[in-house]
Amino acid sequence: AQTVTQSQPEMSVQEAETVTLSCTYDTSESDYYLFWYKQPPSRQMILVIRQEAYKQQNATENRFSVNFQKAAKSFSLKISDSQLGDAAMYFCAYTKETSGSRLTFGEGTQLTVNP
Amino acid sequence: GAGVSQSPSNKVTEKGKDVELRCDPISGHTALYWYRQSLGQGLEFLIYFQGNSAPDKSGLPSDRFSAERTGGSVSTLTIQRTQQEDSAVYLCASSLVQGAFPAEAFFGQGTRLTVV
Repeated sequence: AQTVTQSQPEMSVQEAETVTLSCTYDTSESDYYLFWYKQPPSRQMILVIRQEAYKQQNATENRFSVNFQKAAKSFSLKISDSQLGDAAMYFCAYTKETSGSRLTFGEGTQLTVNP
Repeated sequence: GAGVSQSPSNKVTEKGKDVELRCDPISGHTALYWYRQSLGQGLEFLIYFQGNSAPDKSGLPSDRFSAERTGGSVSTLTIQRTQQEDSAVYLCASSLVQGAFPAEAFFGQGTRLTVV
């Protein structure tokens, strides 16, 4: 079974600084997809960034980028120039299917941004 | 609607009562998912509907839980004889399944269920 682990229950960062959230996963699949979702207090999950396992190039979306290390099964999220609005719970997620299926989520990391 | 809509937003029920949670997915989305998020936990998969295919019910925790999707659109998650351990936020998501890349799953704001 696939598992996703986020070892940092809480993280904090100063506004305008950079923070990295960690995620590791376990799978025997060679093709799969990884995601970072953000959950603000409104509870609505918002997709931040996604990565295809077959792509060596790390995904980037504006201030958000990932460090995908396939051999190490590591998928960290870097937030640059942190903003107060980035404060939220962040979840790492995995799926192995393109046809739509369950996402397997990590336990989440609560990010606090200090002014 | 513009997004995934869930109702009610909050529900308090007495132990032993049945509850129904509703999800209106984004129009045209073929896939619909239910997840459960217990306090301070990640999301736990419950059930997945895709078009006219048989749903993937492998995440339902007990036979007290059931879900249906009528007309390929609205879905109802039913919990019978609720227990205190059922207290959680129940999140619904939908996506348009096509192509060779998993489509983005759009989530609703969830229903917070409290069993007293």
